[in-house]
Amino acid sequence: GAVVSQHPSRVICKSGTSVKIECRSLDFQATTMFWYRQFPKQSLMLMATSNEGSKATYEQGVEKDKFLINHASLTLSTLTVTSAHPEDSSFYICSAWDSLNNEQFFGPGTRLTVL
Amino acid sequence: GESVGLHLPTLSVQEGDNSIINCAYSNSASDYFIWYKQESGKGPQFIIDIRSNMDKRQGQRVTVLLNKTVKHLSLQIAATQPGDSAVYFCAENMRGGADGLTFGKGTHLIIQP
Repeated sequence: GAVVSQHPSRVICKSGTSVKIECRSLDFQATTMFWYRQFPKQSLMLMATSNEGSKATYEQGVEKDKFLINHASLTLSTLTVTSAHPEDSSFYICSAWDSLNNEQFFGPGTRLTVL
Repeated sequence: GESVGLHLPTLSVQEGDNSIINCAYSNSASDYFIWYKQESGKGPQFIIDIRSNMDKRQGQRVTVLLNKTVKHLSLQIAATQPGDSAVYFCAENMRGGADGLTFGKGTHLIIQP
């Protein structure tokens, strides 16, 4: 299947700083990408839908000013966690929609730890 | 809101036996269902999917059954192997891959030697 990468795989930051996570579709173009968050021993929760060339759509309860999403090209979406706090520590996973195969492909995830 | 849920959080089976993981969904408008496998520290891995116009679909060692009447989804894994140990999630949406997915709570499948 198609490959989606994330960078970095792990990041540790201090409280109050901002962290950027990249999601790339390596062998297909994705007009739509999705960002999920997963706390330990819990399920994945959809945070937002990232649309190439337009504003992201956020799920209820997700602060758009805290989780900035930029989908500047057909192969790259970025999620920036601004003014991170310990409660933002989580596993952030992106997926990209391959419209040709009508399938979502998931990235390997990014483990964020905020001290 | 509506959600997808699971009956059992942990399932332990003997290596070589068949396993069945269940999932109940509440959104009757859901059209597309997927099972994912997630190993520790990794992203979800696609196993098999099924659309609402089907009630059964088979893959390699896996079968998904969909009962729309009772809004129930199951994943059957035949002849389980140690590598099948993982957390399994069902997920659903209304527009196939084009929409974000609603995930169930997950079942931790443990394969005993």
